[in-house]
Amino acid sequence: GENVEQHPSTLSVQEGDSAVIKCTYSDSASNYFPWYKQELGKRPQLIIDIRSNVGEKKDQRIAVTLNKTAKHFSLHITETQPEDSAVYFCAASIGGGADGLTFGKGTHLIIQP
Amino acid sequence: NAGVTQTPKFQVLKTGQSMTLQCAQDMNHNSMYWYRQDPGMGLRLIYYSASEGTTDKGEVPNGYNVSRLNKREFSLRLESAAPSQTSVYFCASSEPGMGEKLFFGSGTQLSVL
Repeated sequence: GENVEQHPSTLSVQEGDSAVIKCTYSDSASNYFPWYKQELGKRPQLIIDIRSNVGEKKDQRIAVTLNKTAKHFSLHITETQPEDSAVYFCAASIGGGADGLTFGKGTHLIIQP
Repeated sequence: NAGVTQTPKFQVLKTGQSMTLQCAQDMNHNSMYWYRQDPGMGLRLIYYSASEGTTDKGEVPNGYNVSRLNKREFSLRLESAAPSQTSVYFCASSEPGMGEKLFFGSGTQLSVL
């Protein structure tokens, strides 16, 4: 089955700086790559996703890039703010299927004031 | 429109006791999922139901059973709880073919003593 590796496990950045979280996946058939944000004590919520026919996608301060050849994708957050502090999970799946997402182990992003 | 509703929110069990976690969604989604979340392990799929009447094992099914009662409801049962099942459990739903976005419930924090 699919295996998703996520790095780093903890990332501390100064407010206003950029943060980058990286993931790799193992199954070349995967073609859907979402990112979820989970605040302390809350449920995970989708913040951005990308499909394999697209190399990059942006939504305001967040962007995701995908390299299908290398089987890795990354989350970029610019101009970080205190409310960006959370755990971020990457995931992968074979799009169109119903067998669920395979998640990475998560990155705890800490925004230092 | 409540989305995905899970009960209970908290539960403490003794080793060997049984219990059922309830999940219901009001979005008319075909697919439903049970994940467990452990520190440093991310979200791992226990069981899923691609559509009413079907259930399949995920990554970590041992010690659990599920029932897709109807299109709205998907329950998770622990027949004989073990300390290794102490975790936060999330139910989720999605509509394959219309985007694989998972909608999560608020979670159940389970402790097995």
